[in-house]
Amino acid sequence: QSVLTQPPSVSGAPGQRVTISCTANSSNIGAGSAVHWYRQLPGTAPKLLIYGNNNRPSGVPDRFSGSKSGTSASLAITGLQAEDEADYFCQSYDSSLSGVVFGGGTKLTVL
Amino acid sequence: EVQLVESGGGLVQPGGSLRLSCAASGVTFSSYSMNWVRQAPGKGLELVSYISSSSTTIYYADSVKGRFTISRDNAKNSLYLQMNSLRDEDTAVYYCAKGGGSSGYYKFDYWGQGTLVTVSS
Repeated sequence: QSVLTQPPSVSGAPGQRVTISCTANSSNIGAGSAVHWYRQLPGTAPKLLIYGNNNRPSGVPDRFSGSKSGTSASLAITGLQAEDEADYFCQSYDSSLSGVVFGGGTKLTVL
Repeated sequence: EVQLVESGGGLVQPGGSLRLSCAASGVTFSSYSMNWVRQAPGKGLELVSYISSSSTTIYYADSVKGRFTISRDNAKNSLYLQMNSLRDEDTAVYYCAKGGGSSGYYKFDYWGQGTLVTVSS
């Protein structure tokens, strides 16, 4: 069981907005921890998509945004495109475990 | 451009050993912590091992503690993972990932393409 809980799947039509949640089951992931998001296209390695809760690395379009409140975070994707179909993982740091924790991943299907 | 290239994966019998390597370029390798993250078939991501820039701090997941050894050679811009006493459940794609940030803000900002390790008789 992952320390960070994500829905196994979400879907949306092209052009729509979807959100993926990431909820901690520990109060140890709070103000002192940031949430990062990774996108894994089929058959490829994960790639950093959002870091520090709401920052985009260079080259990531502004259709992708992140937010965090307390022990929950969300990834929002607007203007959904076929190439957004991928697995999305959240990641944070649990001070009680003294280490990195990942969510179980969410498969995004573009209808 | 940062590039991480893993090698050394393959098919090995239970109880066997493998040594993974990761060659880094486009980055001041000696300045950053490095990691091995694995992904079992159809599963999520698991941090296997972490090593600080100067090798002074090392972390292992409980699932591999005592069997795997991480190391690095900053002169060769290379990261290694020695895997002994391999088990079926170690079957996964192993990714080399560069670390960024500290403690609560730690992230994996660059990833290699991965190398597949299959443990099977």
